[in-house]
Amino acid sequence: DAGITQSPRHKVTETGTPVTLRCHQTENHRYMYWYRQDPGHGLRLIHYSYGVKDTDKGEVSDGYSVSRSKTEDFLLTLESATSSQTSVYFCAISPGQGWTGYTFGSGTRLTVV
Amino acid sequence: RKEVEQDPGPFNVPEGATVAFNCTYSNSASQSFFWYRQDCRKEPKLLMSVYSSGNEDGRFTAQLNRASQYISLLIRDSKLSDSATYLCVVNKESGGGADGLTFGKGTHLIIQP
Repeated sequence: DAGITQSPRHKVTETGTPVTLRCHQTENHRYMYWYRQDPGHGLRLIHYSYGVKDTDKGEVSDGYSVSRSKTEDFLLTLESATSSQTSVYFCAISPGQGWTGYTFGSGTRLTVV
Repeated sequence: RKEVEQDPGPFNVPEGATVAFNCTYSNSASQSFFWYRQDCRKEPKLLMSVYSSGNEDGRFTAQLNRASQYISLLIRDSKLSDSATYLCVVNKESGGGADGLTFGKGTHLIIQP
């Protein structure tokens, strides 16, 4: 399996606190993505990166920010967590722009109380 | 028309039967197509790519119909372990944009003993 890990695997946090999720890859892939998955909505793109310090917004980026200071790490920050951000968050990597499909991490289950 | 549309199911199928499901996509410029499998509370995993000429991988056959803009997945001799959600995935456009893939919401398959 591709080397992609997400941390933490589970997190419970309080409304209003900042939260950072980490995605780490050992594949040296250029593209990295953050998705959230909720019942009835499927996978929705939050932010993506096409290189170190190169990031862009996806369809549900409000309330989230990202950073990529190294090829291997892509961080997702919830600036002030809200209950609507309770979700499962998946990171994905790809060597190209989707031509070869993505490889997903195991996910982070986040609960905001 | 939604970008990628799938029947959510569930499809309840007896073990050993053949099951097929389709997916339609809206972007006629799309060039890459995939089927992903997602088990409950797990990450999506690439099942197979879909090629213009159709392709087979063991019990699984994928077909692409560009004229009608749909993709199909056929599973023969279904096993209990085939129970999962199957995601239809299409690249957003013909090479442009780094936010590559669009995911359908998935078709839920339940194989019954």
